[in-house]
Amino acid sequence: GAVVSQHPSWVICKSGTSVKIECRSLDFQATTMFWYRQFPKQSLMLMATSNEGSKATYEQGVEKDKFLINHASLTLSTLTVTSAHPEDSSFYICSAPPRYLRSPLHFGNGTRLTVT
Amino acid sequence: ILNVEQSPQSLHVQEGDSTNFTCSFPSSNFYALHWYRWETAKSPEALFVMTLNGDEKKKGRISATLNTKEGYSYLYIKGSQPEDSATYLCAFSSQGNLIFGKGTKLSVKP
Repeated sequence: GAVVSQHPSWVICKSGTSVKIECRSLDFQATTMFWYRQFPKQSLMLMATSNEGSKATYEQGVEKDKFLINHASLTLSTLTVTSAHPEDSSFYICSAPPRYLRSPLHFGNGTRLTVT
Repeated sequence: ILNVEQSPQSLHVQEGDSTNFTCSFPSSNFYALHWYRWETAKSPEALFVMTLNGDEKKKGRISATLNTKEGYSYLYIKGSQPEDSATYLCAFSSQGNLIFGKGTKLSVKP
């Protein structure tokens, strides 16, 4: 079945640095990718939708300049957390939607980001 | 604003108990209702995608029902096992969006 590969699975970085998270669709083309964040003791919150060849669509309250999303090809979307701070420490997960939303999403394995 | 509510937020049961929880969603512009099983820091596992009012789906000891007219879905687990401990997420699909509820966290004690 369809597979989404997310990398890295775990990263620790210093405050002020930037971190890039990659999400690849391995055996299918994804023109759209969803990026989610899990806040402590909460569910998955949609941050943004990346669109191949165009600008990402950000959800209300998500800082565009802080969470840079790029969807450069049909198989790769990236999320860059710029100038990371400890409050950015979280679990980030990407998913590729099926052609129709009457099939399950294909999720990556997630990235645990810790900012020290 | 589309809102998806799940109840209860958490549930503690003994091994062997049967349990169920609820997902409430808007009854208009319904497209599909998804259920996922999610262990923290792992990828959510798809359980069901339900589309028809009155639909009932089953996967092993887990089953789900759907009422699109009144806007709810029930997830049932028969004879809970410790390995069923996880957060169960539902997600409502409408007009190209997929909105997740906050989940029901199930803990099954041996």
